[in-house]
Amino acid sequence: NAGVTQTPKFQVLKTGQSMTLQCAQDMNHNSMYWYRQDPGMGLRLIYYSASEGTTDKGEVPNGYNVSRLNKREFSLRLESAAPSQTSVYFCASSEWSGGYQETQYFGPGTRLLVL
Amino acid sequence: GIQVEQSPPDLILQEGANSTLRCNFSDSVNNLQWFHQNPWGQLINLFYIPSGTKQNGRLSATTVATERYSLLYISSSQTTDSGVYFCAAGSRLTFGEGTQLTVNP
Repeated sequence: NAGVTQTPKFQVLKTGQSMTLQCAQDMNHNSMYWYRQDPGMGLRLIYYSASEGTTDKGEVPNGYNVSRLNKREFSLRLESAAPSQTSVYFCASSEWSGGYQETQYFGPGTRLLVL
Repeated sequence: GIQVEQSPPDLILQEGANSTLRCNFSDSVNNLQWFHQNPWGQLINLFYIPSGTKQNGRLSATTVATERYSLLYISSSQTTDSGVYFCAAGSRLTFGEGTQLTVNP
């Protein structure tokens, strides 16, 4: 199993450009998440998808959109990139059991630089 | 939302030493996880521990849910233990700011 995979690994954008970060998981998890990590800080939740067909805002959703394409794939889109979106982006997935989230697994991250 | 605080923010150890990392959270939770971020940025889940005690090799964790804290114990530390340790709590996993651990040979 590859676990959680993300593409691309690195990306440089100019202010105003758009791009989509891709994430896929092969663990048959229902829930998927997008986080950003800024230097010296913990992770902050951007959006999550509790199950296929649903998406919800997290702590810092402004400037982003998401699509839960199917059970395996969850993409994050920046419509008009800004320097404040320079960060490392992590995708994660988990299962839910008995109403509680179980262990969360992370992808390797995408390093994004917006000039 | 829930607040998560970790201490200490930084910790430097000699190889072979033991350490305890602490995580306080502001509200009762049914989800508490510990992660290790290695120097290459990869996040690895160490424990899913909403309550009780678990052990995995040289690492163990205890969560006292009624008192809203969790502890991560590292025994006989090795240089490969270096990195940032994160605690995350709550239904949508709010992360603390982490403890930066450096283990010197």
